[in-house]
Amino acid sequence: GNSVTQMEGPVTLSEEAFLTINCTYTATGYPSLFWYVQYPGEGLQLLLKATKADDKGSNKGFEATYRKETTSFHLEKGSVQVSDSAVYFCALTIRDDKIIFGKGTRLHILP
Amino acid sequence: DARVTQTPRDKVTEMGQEVTMRCQPILGHNTVFWYRQTMMQGLELLAYFRNRAPLDDSGMPKDRFSAEMPDATLATLKIQPSEPRDSAVYFCASGLTGLETQYFGPGTRLLVL
Repeated sequence: GNSVTQMEGPVTLSEEAFLTINCTYTATGYPSLFWYVQYPGEGLQLLLKATKADDKGSNKGFEATYRKETTSFHLEKGSVQVSDSAVYFCALTIRDDKIIFGKGTRLHILP
Repeated sequence: DARVTQTPRDKVTEMGQEVTMRCQPILGHNTVFWYRQTMMQGLELLAYFRNRAPLDDSGMPKDRFSAEMPDATLATLKIQPSEPRDSAVYFCASGLTGLETQYFGPGTRLLVL
């Protein structure tokens, strides 16, 4: 079946550190891949997406590249801020309305 | 700025009581999803509608949960009777077939005592 596996948290970094959150997927077919972010007390919101192999999604300094050969979609940011503290969800969909979410990775950024 | 709205934002009730949560999807969206989020289980899909028709409610305990869309602007999730294990944050999300992105509401935080 289709699934998403992401690194378990929490991840704790100092401000301005480099961030990587790993995400790999299993899918039958050609999925679109997403990163959603959930700030405290809020619902999830789309951070970035990529719809085909080698596409790079980017937003707010975050980037992720769709790697078909390694079935991965790792999230990166060069210099994190305290305001990036949140829970990050990797997700996929395959020409369907439903989205399959990973379990989420909690990120804490220390000032 | 179109948003998904949910009411109530917080609900505290006693075991055995009926709970109704409401969601107003973004105007023009034709898919609606109900999720439950807990620390232990994470984010779980409970039910999903397309064009107001239920397509998948396999994630929902059928004996006590029910989900409906009386019209295109309202989705409801009802729990009767409620139990302490139902305590969670319930999210509604809406989308448009073909666009793939889901837009989440702020959630209803439910506490069953």
